[in-house]
Amino acid sequence: QQQVRQSPQSLTVWEGETAILNCSYEDSTFDYFPWYWQFPRESPALLIAIRPVSNKKEDGRFTIFFNKREKKLSLHITDSQPGDSATYFCAANDSGYNKLTFGKGTVLLVSP
Amino acid sequence: DPKIIQKPKYLVAVTGSEKILICEQYLGHNAMYWYRQSAKKPLEFMFSYSYQKLMDNQTASSRFQPQSSKKNHLDLQITALKPDDSATYFCASSHTGGEGTEVFFGKGTRLTVV
Repeated sequence: QQQVRQSPQSLTVWEGETAILNCSYEDSTFDYFPWYWQFPRESPALLIAIRPVSNKKEDGRFTIFFNKREKKLSLHITDSQPGDSATYFCAANDSGYNKLTFGKGTVLLVSP
Repeated sequence: DPKIIQKPKYLVAVTGSEKILICEQYLGHNAMYWYRQSAKKPLEFMFSYSYQKLMDNQTASSRFQPQSSKKNHLDLQITALKPDDSATYFCASSHTGGEGTEVFFGKGTRLTVV
């Protein structure tokens, strides 16, 4: 049973557009949701994270929108740049454990 | 300078053999982890250690054995290797204390079992 689901599997946007990556989860005990990005042949790196006390977290062009009732969140990337092309992983964590459960990822391609 | 050092970067092993993947971190973290990533599966949690003690084990097979000789070391011994073990193995670390502490990943060891 997959605890964290991501959609779409892949996404292509034009430079300057807004990319929207979706994530949903099953376990109500999850209380920390980081997004990681991974470039080819690199390790995952933390991009931005949110906790359920907030329904929005913004960091520059990257914004997480969180809906606790529906157990859904989304990552919005505004003014997408070719350098944003990467695989984006939504993850979830049960407080106190730091055992991250990852989704399968969304491969984003930003075309110039 | 990389703060989480994994060795080797690439590893080719014969089916049935045994290998040890090395990990050292210099971030001053007390918690260390192993994750696995393959073409078939997303990033998959394997083990977590806190203050050199095993906290969580999500690996069904006993062929995978973490070894912590020092606070900042967490090696991974894999015995009786199978082709299905082919994957990139990431070592990671964080501060303890929960509440969404950032987990940092090493650059990984890419294991190929032939």
